[in-house]
Amino acid sequence: GESVGLHLPTLSVQEGDNSIINCAYSNSASDYFIWYKQESGKGPQFIIDIRSNMDKRQGQRVTVLLNKTVKHLSLQIAATQPGDSAVYFCAENGSSNTGKLIFGQGTTLQVKP
Amino acid sequence: NAGVTQTPKFQVLKTGQSMTLQCAQDMNHNSMYWYRQDPGMGLRLIYYSASEGTTDKGEVPNGYNVSRLNKREFSLRLESAAPSQTSVYFCASSDLLRGAQETQYFGPGTRLLVL
Repeated sequence: GESVGLHLPTLSVQEGDNSIINCAYSNSASDYFIWYKQESGKGPQFIIDIRSNMDKRQGQRVTVLLNKTVKHLSLQIAATQPGDSAVYFCAENGSSNTGKLIFGQGTTLQVKP
Repeated sequence: NAGVTQTPKFQVLKTGQSMTLQCAQDMNHNSMYWYRQDPGMGLRLIYYSASEGTTDKGEVPNGYNVSRLNKREFSLRLESAAPSQTSVYFCASSDLLRGAQETQYFGPGTRLLVL
């Protein structure tokens, strides 16, 4: 069945270091992928997305990499700050074009000062 | 521009009681979604509405009903609440353009406790 998973439940990094959060997906038909950040007590907040016709996309301090060969997605955060501490979710659209997203379980990023 | 708003923020129910969770968006999006999030879990889709006048089941629809009242509003109803429905509920909206997926934007959530 369709599933989106994350390799590590918790990632701890030092402030100023770069963070890499990984995600594996199983549906080859997925053509849209998105990363969300969720702070405690809040709703998921859009970070960055990527379509399957791209393998890299950059935003402000964030980069998403897509490797369709091994069905792998990663989120890189440069110069991680305490405000980056949150749970990060990846999601894919599966095989439908109805706007539905399939979410992974999330990775908690802890930034040590 | 408030984005996606949800009411109430918190609710405590007794088993068997009913309630409606409200959601509204002011981004003129066509599609709206209801998710639930359980502790340490990702988001699971309950129902969605791809466009005004249509609703469809998601991954976990049992025990819920929805109404797409108009383009802005999408409500979720629990007819007879059960403790298993204790969760945080999120509403989201997006705009499918030319059949292509667009970003979903989320509301702040409703925290529901069923005793």
